[in-house]
Amino acid sequence: DVVMTQTPLSLSVTPGQPASISCRSSQSPLHSDGRTYLDWYMQKPGQPPQLLIYEVSNRFSGVPDRFSGSGSGTDFTLKISRVEAEDVGVYYCLQTIQVPWTFGQGTKVEIK
Amino acid sequence: EVELVESGGDLVQPGGSLRLSCAASGFTFSNYWMNWIRQAPGKGLEWVAHIKPDGSEKNYVDSVKGRFTISRDNAKSFLYLQMNSLRAEDTAVYYCARDGRILPYWGQGTLVTVSS
Repeated sequence: DVVMTQTPLSLSVTPGQPASISCRSSQSPLHSDGRTYLDWYMQKPGQPPQLLIYEVSNRFSGVPDRFSGSGSGTDFTLKISRVEAEDVGVYYCLQTIQVPWTFGQGTKVEIK
Repeated sequence: EVELVESGGDLVQPGGSLRLSCAASGFTFSNYWMNWIRQAPGKGLEWVAHIKPDGSEKNYVDSVKGRFTISRDNAKSFLYLQMNSLRAEDTAVYYCARDGRILPYWGQGTLVTVSS
């Protein structure tokens, strides 16, 4: 199985400051179709996960532009340019290049 | 508007069975891959299974192979998860989610508790 490793596992951020979460995959999520199947999800307390970023760097509809994704090969990053109170939650990366699809352990983001 | 509503979660004894349902609306159900994803209490997300639009391809995480069966009824726009030989470690909120390699739509989840 493809192992997804996120760092850090928790993050405490002052509002208005940036935040960054790393995700490393044990195998490249680059498909033969040229797409890289690495997505980011955020789960607010008591809610289902919601899609933020798909295929490394594409923001899903309605996602604020303070969220951005980057990376290649086996190393990927989710950045929040200026953290807001509503960004509190747990962030997960997900690879869908190989079954079983696998999530990272999750990174809990809190506000200072 | 896309809506996914799970049901069927319950308290069940180890070794028991349960069938989860996911009612889909707001889109042409028969056009999309569908998934089940679970989350144990206080834990992270685990993809469980998915099924092709016409039901001809199904994949599972190893921990549920031979015990769980994913299926769908395209005429009724329902997704199912038949869970047999349930174990304590299957205790989780089970979400259905739409689409193939990207999961833009999720239901609110249904809680399955396996305990004696």
